[in-house]
Amino acid sequence: GEDVEQSLFLSVREGDSSVINCTYTDSSSTYLYWYKQEPGAGLQLLTYIFSNMDMKQDQRLTVLLNKKDKHLSLRIADTQTGDSAIYFCAVFSGGYNKLIFGAGTRLAVHP
Amino acid sequence: EAGVTQSPTHLIKTRGQQATLRCSPISGHTSVYWYQQALGLGLQFLLWYDEGEERNRGNFPPRFSGRQFPNYSSELNVNALELEDSALYLCASSLGGRNNEQFFGPGTRLTVL
Repeated sequence: GEDVEQSLFLSVREGDSSVINCTYTDSSSTYLYWYKQEPGAGLQLLTYIFSNMDMKQDQRLTVLLNKKDKHLSLRIADTQTGDSAIYFCAVFSGGYNKLIFGAGTRLAVHP
Repeated sequence: EAGVTQSPTHLIKTRGQQATLRCSPISGHTSVYWYQQALGLGLQFLLWYDEGEERNRGNFPPRFSGRQFPNYSSELNVNALELEDSALYLCASSLGGRNNEQFFGPGTRLTVL
């Protein structure tokens, strides 16, 4: 079945770049998303990429998509303490109109 | 513009009771989705409503049900509560039909004792 995998934890120093990786199995996914969840809060849509794109940049965020390897990454430039959160990769399953989520990567930013 | 709202924020029930969770979508959105975020199980798709109809449901038992009202708000009902139903229930909305961009509310934390 459809599956999305992410590493569970990433620790970076403030000011460095963070790279969060995700792999997925559904090759028919048309849209791929990154959501952010802060403690006790819902999900905030950060950015998304359409499957016919290789890269999308949005201020400090860069999304890279390798469709052949079914690999998606989110790069956060100049990571700040406010970026500490759980980041979810999600793929859109068009047949069912649902999002399939990875387990989430907890990003810890330290001074 | 107001985002997706959910009520209540927290809900405490005992085993066997029923829980009702509510969601109001972003104005102009006609699709509502429900997801369950349980500890150790991640985010799982529950239900999708569009234009008042249930369009799809995830792999959950029939005691999870819901409806969508003419104003596009939605209710999720969970009958015969079990301890493992304890989770954060997230509602999302999108423009209707096959539009895929889903915006989430803050969630309702359901605790079953």
